[in-house]
Amino acid sequence: DQQVKQNSPSLSVQEGRISILNCDYTNSMFDYFLWYKKYPAEGPTFLISISSIKDKNEDGRFTVFLNKSAKHLSLHIVPSQPGDSAVYFCAAGRDRGSNYKLTFGKGTLLTVNP
Amino acid sequence: GAVVSQHPSRVICKSGTSVKIECRSLDFQATTMFWYRQFPKQSLMLMATSNEGSKATYEQGVEKDKFLINHASLTLSTLTVTSAHPEDSSFYICSARYPGPYEQYFGPGTRLTVT
Repeated sequence: DQQVKQNSPSLSVQEGRISILNCDYTNSMFDYFLWYKKYPAEGPTFLISISSIKDKNEDGRFTVFLNKSAKHLSLHIVPSQPGDSAVYFCAAGRDRGSNYKLTFGKGTLLTVNP
Repeated sequence: GAVVSQHPSRVICKSGTSVKIECRSLDFQATTMFWYRQFPKQSLMLMATSNEGSKATYEQGVEKDKFLINHASLTLSTLTVTSAHPEDSSFYICSARYPGPYEQYFGPGTRLTVT
């Protein structure tokens, strides 16, 4: 049962344009959502997060939008840069004390072309 | 801030031997650390949750006697792959829960190859 889904395995955009990465989830009990960026043979790097009580969070070029009714979130990168090319993972979690853990999607490979 | 290190970055061992991987939070204390495994072109698979001073909680299907986890301090967790076999070859990544609501920071990963 895949609770966090990233239906697009890959996305290609031109430098300077907007990249929109999508993520859907099925568990309405998730309290928070995070986006990570990962290069090959490296650990994921935390990008941005959002609590389930908010619908938008912005940090520099990165903005995450949350639509709870649709169980959907998206990461917007504006403007996109070639260095943004990586695999992006969406993650969701519930904070229940010792039962805290994240569930990851399968990732989307973003390629930003110069 | 929020740096997590892993050692070694890659290791090659013979089948039947044991390998220990260390995960350290360098600039914060982590009461909870996590161990993940990633297969090629796949997502991160949580193996176990490690809480400082207590036994690790393993995910379904993960053999606790094969993957020994110790979280002896607030900055160090270790994963020991015992009696390694070629099918244990994988990319192992640890993460540490950052103080606060829900952020996790990841180490750079360890590539294990069992020959």
